Amino acid sequence: AQSVTQLDSHVSVSEGTPVLLRCNYSSSYSPSLFWYVQHPNKGLQLLLKYTSAATLVKGINGFEAEFKKSETSFHLTKPSAHMSDAAEYFCVVSDRGKTGGFKTIFGAGTRLFVKA
Amino acid sequence: DVKVTQSSRYLVKRTGEKVFLECVQDMDHENMFWYRQDPGLGLRLIYFSYDVKMKEKGDIPEGYSVSREKKERFSLILESASTNQTSMYLCASSSRRDRGYEQYFGPGTRLTVT
Repeated sequence: AQSVTQLDSHVSVSEGTPVLLRCNYSSSYSPSLFWYVQHPNKGLQLLLKYTSAATLVKGINGFEAEFKKSETSFHLTKPSAHMSDAAEYFCVVSDRGKTGGFKTIFGAGTRLFVKA
Repeated sequence: DVKVTQSSRYLVKRTGEKVFLECVQDMDHENMFWYRQDPGLGLRLIYFSYDVKMKEKGDIPEGYSVSREKKERFSLILESASTNQTSMYLCASSSRRDRGYEQYFGPGTRLTVT
């Protein structure tokens, strides 16, 4: 069965310092993995996605994530936080379910705070 | 660019009212979804549709119904609104041609039921 666990509900960093948002997943098959960002009162925007190509995925706004099958992890990182990165981030797994159709599971979200 | 629009950003309704939330996408996507988002719970799938006139229950369909008469439009209906349906509602669409089914989201409708 699929599941997604975002290990931190809140992360606080200072501007200019690295960001690490942690995500672990479980999946029976070969999943696709995504990170979405949601700014206040906005819809979700795709940051990056992994679909069985390169394991290190680069996304928008300087974010990247590494797919580690042995650790079942897909952590999101950024070398230097910016004030505009303050938002909620969702890790998402999409996989083929038992009936053959795709099923998508969202993590509970991690709220990122950036201090000046 | 894919655009997903939702009919209202904010909506206030009374208990027992029938509520319609409309979603329109302009990229000819086959799949459309309705989620509700509540603090600490992430997104939970209410209903989805893989084609016109087709619908499938998601994880929390109780108290909701949907309609998809045209490919670009997917409506969520609260037959008799209750206070526990106060939430943010997000519509999304995706293409079957896109491996992994990346979803494109609308801006959301914040519904308050009093």
